[in-house]
Amino acid sequence: GQNIDQPTEMTATEGAIVQINCTYQTSGFNGLFWYQQHAGEAPTFLSYNVLDGLEEKGRFSSFLSRSKGYSYLLLKELQMKDSASYLCAVRDSNYQLIWGAGTKLIIKP
Amino acid sequence: NAGVTQTPKFRVLKTGQSMTLLCAQDMNHEYMYWYRQDPGMGLRLIHYSVGEGTTAKGEVPDGYNVSRLKKQNFLLGLESAAPSQTSVYFCASSLEGTVSIQYFGAGTRLSVL
Repeated sequence: GQNIDQPTEMTATEGAIVQINCTYQTSGFNGLFWYQQHAGEAPTFLSYNVLDGLEEKGRFSSFLSRSKGYSYLLLKELQMKDSASYLCAVRDSNYQLIWGAGTKLIIKP
Repeated sequence: NAGVTQTPKFRVLKTGQSMTLLCAQDMNHEYMYWYRQDPGMGLRLIHYSVGEGTTAKGEVPDGYNVSRLKKQNFLLGLESAAPSQTSVYFCASSLEGTVSIQYFGAGTRLSVL
């Protein structure tokens, strides 16, 4: 079966750095996405990785290792507004998105 | 910037009632999707469409029907609602289906009593 694993919940301090991990086992791989979802709102796109390596976008970076079936999202200089759930999704061989259950990130002052 | 618009935002149904959820996008996207989101689970694909007049089943299609009569609209129907269909429903759209980002609507919270 297809599976995306991410931690259920993480806590970090304002101004710090946090890394959210995602491991996947899917039938094929055509890219990995990270989305942010604030409580009661729609998921919004953060990053996309299809090749191994690090993609940096401002305070957010995403890393991919296809051989290890592993990705992480790195958030720097955490702000209170970063309190949200972070969803990892993999596009499989049928180009369908397989979604993880999400990691709820709690930022403390 | 409307993007993807879903109506209604909230709805309470009794078991056996029917309803239709409407999704509209103004980005001229070819692909549209309906997902459900339940606590502790990832988004699950119900049905999707790769263009006007087409529909296809996703991971959890049972109990739902869809129609895409116009490119900008994607309707999700529940013919006879069941408590197991209590969920948050999200519509999404993308320009195409291989590399494009999916853009989501704000969601519909549905409770079936």
